[in-house]
Amino acid sequence: DIQMTQSPSSLSASVGDRVTITCQASQDISNYLNWYQQKPGKAPKLLIYDASNLETGVPSRFSGSGSGTDFTFTISSLQPEDIATYYCQQYDNLPQEGFTFGPGTKVDIK
Amino acid sequence: EVQLVESGGGLVQPGRSLRLSCTASGFTFGDYAMSWVRQAPGKGLEWVGFIRSKAYGGTTEYAASVKGRFTISRDDSKSIAYLQMNSLKTEDTAVYYCTRVRCSSTSCYQLDYWGQGTLVTVSS
Repeated sequence: DIQMTQSPSSLSASVGDRVTITCQASQDISNYLNWYQQKPGKAPKLLIYDASNLETGVPSRFSGSGSGTDFTFTISSLQPEDIATYYCQQYDNLPQEGFTFGPGTKVDIK
Repeated sequence: EVQLVESGGGLVQPGRSLRLSCTASGFTFGDYAMSWVRQAPGKGLEWVGFIRSKAYGGTTEYAASVKGRFTISRDDSKSIAYLQMNSLKTEDTAVYYCTRVRCSSTSCYQLDYWGQGTLVTVSS
């Protein structure tokens, strides 16, 4: 089974800071990696697909990079509305393992 | 505008059954795979399963944790996806989200639209 890990599990940053979250897969998943944002009490929202492609309508301060086993999600300038939990998700081994999510990274404002 | 609205959640005793519905609008429902994802209270996201569009066979895939107990189906004439949950366990307690899935003929890729979720509580 492909395992996904994220670090850190939580972080606190100031408005305007650059925020970076890492996601690691237990085996090579090429670029089959998506990132989702879940604001408190809300449904998740797709932000980044195929590791580095910005979903339509998503602000350009969000970006993603990486391939293979190591991936990075970045918020270039943290805004108050970015308070959320961010999840990575792989889809390399469909249908056998389905969509596997990372444990999430909770981001809040310092 | 794409909308997904889940319904059917509630309190159910262990061992009993429950059926969730996901009513879709704003897109051609029959052209898309549909998936269910759940989130236990205070926990992360867990994929439950998905059903392909009829064009790709309308077949289903499930997470190991629910295989044999849960069944996903669809009614394209009504733009509704269903999640039939049997032999429910306390650990099935979660918010259940319906999602649209981007797929091709060879695989599926992203969960691009999500409903607001419906809470299922399994307790005696």
